[in-house]
Amino acid sequence: DGGITQSPKYLFRKEGQNVTLSCEQNLNHDAMYWYRQDPGQGLRLIYYSQIVNDFQKGDIAEGYSVSREKKESFPLTVTSAQKNPTAFYLCASQRTNSGYGYTFGSGTRLTVV
Amino acid sequence: QKEVEQNSGPLSVPEGAIASLNCTYSDRVSQSFFWYRQYSGKSPELIMSIYSNGDKEDGRFTAQLNKASQYVSLLIRDSQPSDSATYLCAVIVNSGGYNKLIFGAGTRLAVHP
Repeated sequence: DGGITQSPKYLFRKEGQNVTLSCEQNLNHDAMYWYRQDPGQGLRLIYYSQIVNDFQKGDIAEGYSVSREKKESFPLTVTSAQKNPTAFYLCASQRTNSGYGYTFGSGTRLTVV
Repeated sequence: QKEVEQNSGPLSVPEGAIASLNCTYSDRVSQSFFWYRQYSGKSPELIMSIYSNGDKEDGRFTAQLNKASQYVSLLIRDSQPSDSATYLCAVIVNSGGYNKLIFGAGTRLAVHP
């Protein structure tokens, strides 16, 4: 079955450490997105990519980095520059740069310890 | 002004009643509108999309769009306790030639027996 896989489901980060969240899709979607969700709040866009080797900053890109070397993969690195990284991270994809709704992965919950 | 605004709730309705969820958006040229349902700790699930003015019905759900008033709503008929969740309104906004999905903060719905 086609879908989006995020891993790990739970991740713990020490202060000053970089961590990478994985997002893989087999839907043959061109566009992929990373969102962050804090408790009781909506989703805020971190980065997005419409095609391989190209990506754009969203509304809260500071302290994050991404790469898009393959169509299927869009990993997110949370760097030590992100001062408040504890949140629920969601990856999504979309068929084209179109008006269709997004499909979401199951999310990664990141906690700073 | 936020791009997408929702009343955070909680909206409490008795089982069997109609739940009415509202959303306003700021980008006048937006053409694509979505309602997602999110259970606690889970990723959002697309339940309705609407692109034209008027009503769109799917089972117990009806989405309503009024582009002149920049208003989208979701009606849930015969509400069930299993409908208790947070409902996120989302709008596709075009920025620099790229589409991105912007979310409201969500309305928490509680359906009580």
